[in-house]
Amino acid sequence: DTGVSQDPRHKITKRGQNVTFRCDPISEHNRLYWYRQTLGQGPEFLTYFQNEAQLEKSRLLSDRFSAERPKGSFSTLEIQRTEQGDSAMYLCASSSPGQSTDTQYFGPGTRLTVL
Amino acid sequence: AQSVTQPDIHITVSEGASLELRCNYSYGATPYLFWYVQSPGQGLQLLLKYFSGDTLVQGIKGFEAEFKRSQSSFNLRKPSVHWSDAAEYFCAVVASNAGKSTFGDGTTLTVKP
Repeated sequence: DTGVSQDPRHKITKRGQNVTFRCDPISEHNRLYWYRQTLGQGPEFLTYFQNEAQLEKSRLLSDRFSAERPKGSFSTLEIQRTEQGDSAMYLCASSSPGQSTDTQYFGPGTRLTVL
Repeated sequence: AQSVTQPDIHITVSEGASLELRCNYSYGATPYLFWYVQSPGQGLQLLLKYFSGDTLVQGIKGFEAEFKRSQSSFNLRKPSVHWSDAAEYFCAVVASNAGKSTFGDGTTLTVKP
């Protein structure tokens, strides 16, 4: 069990550019979640997948945001035409509801800075 | 919809003193409750969780939490804090039939020598 990994750990971009983040969940976990955390706040839910199906999206996930999990393993989160308000920590988590205790394990996060 | 309130934004305790961090939740049914700890620039580490059964749950690093349904609370405690416990602590609730977590805004713990 190597834990949830995220890449890159840090990303600095200019306003208007597109960015893509990757999350690799714990290997046997079929649920994968994305959260966004801004300074001084708790993580806010963005979206989650069960296998390759995207089951829920938050209203926070504007049209500029898209998430995929094409083969039910790793996931990507893309932000198009970044804005300064997108600067945040993007956290990924995975879980295995089959264990009947849907405990989410978090990765280290990707820190996005939009200049 | 569920919600979580952590009333204390910042708490300072002396090393060796006891600690209690408060968490109140709002949810119509029996929730799944969690406490996580986050060091600066890092992800969240799970400290403990409550699903059912014994209302006093033990976690890692000497932490425990007690679920009180009548008070809609899930307070985190530690009898003797260590300097390494300084971090931000988040309480979270998950609806029993949905995966997403709803977090409080966190409590920052400072430990004085």
